[in-house]
Amino acid sequence: DGGITQSPKYLFRKEGQNVTLSCEQNLNHDAMYWYRQDPGQGLRLIYYSQIVNDFQKGDIAEGYSVSREKKESFPLTVTSAQKNPTAFYLCASSIETPLGELFFGEGSRLTVL
Amino acid sequence: GEDVEQSLFLSVREGDSSVINCTYTDSSSTYLYWYKQEPGAGLQLLTYIFSNMDMKQDQRLTVLLNKKDKHLSLRIADTQTGDSAIYFCAESPGGNTPLVFGKGTRLSVIA
Repeated sequence: DGGITQSPKYLFRKEGQNVTLSCEQNLNHDAMYWYRQDPGQGLRLIYYSQIVNDFQKGDIAEGYSVSREKKESFPLTVTSAQKNPTAFYLCASSIETPLGELFFGEGSRLTVL
Repeated sequence: GEDVEQSLFLSVREGDSSVINCTYTDSSSTYLYWYKQEPGAGLQLLTYIFSNMDMKQDQRLTVLLNKKDKHLSLRIADTQTGDSAIYFCAESPGGNTPLVFGKGTRLSVIA
């Protein structure tokens, strides 16, 4: 079945360590996104990519990095520069149509100890 | 910049109607959306409305759009416990700009 797969679902890391969250899609979508969700804060856009080998910063890109070497994959690295990394991270993809519907993965919960 | 506002909490009794409200700022939005998020999961598109429509009905869901006031609402008829979730309003600024989401309204349904 087509969809978006995020891994791992739960991740624990020590402060100061970098961590990479995986996002893979087999929907043949051009655009992919990373959002961060905190209680009462809604979704905040970290990075997005509309085409392979290109990506743009979202509203809260500081302390994060991404790559888009393949259409199917858009990994997010949470670096030690991110001051408050504990959060629920959501990956999404979309196809370029007027509707622009986003398809989301199941999310990855990162806890920094 | 674009901004989407919605109240954070709503509590209703099972069988009653729920109305979740949203205001947005970008009058050029082509589509407006309602997404649903169940606990510990990603978001799923629940319904959407094209900007030239005033109302859209889909089974128990009714979406009302007031373009003059930039106000969007989602009504869920005969609310069930399975409707308990966070509901996000979102607007599409157009072009290649990503969707802008509100902070989400947590709907609690009391049996």
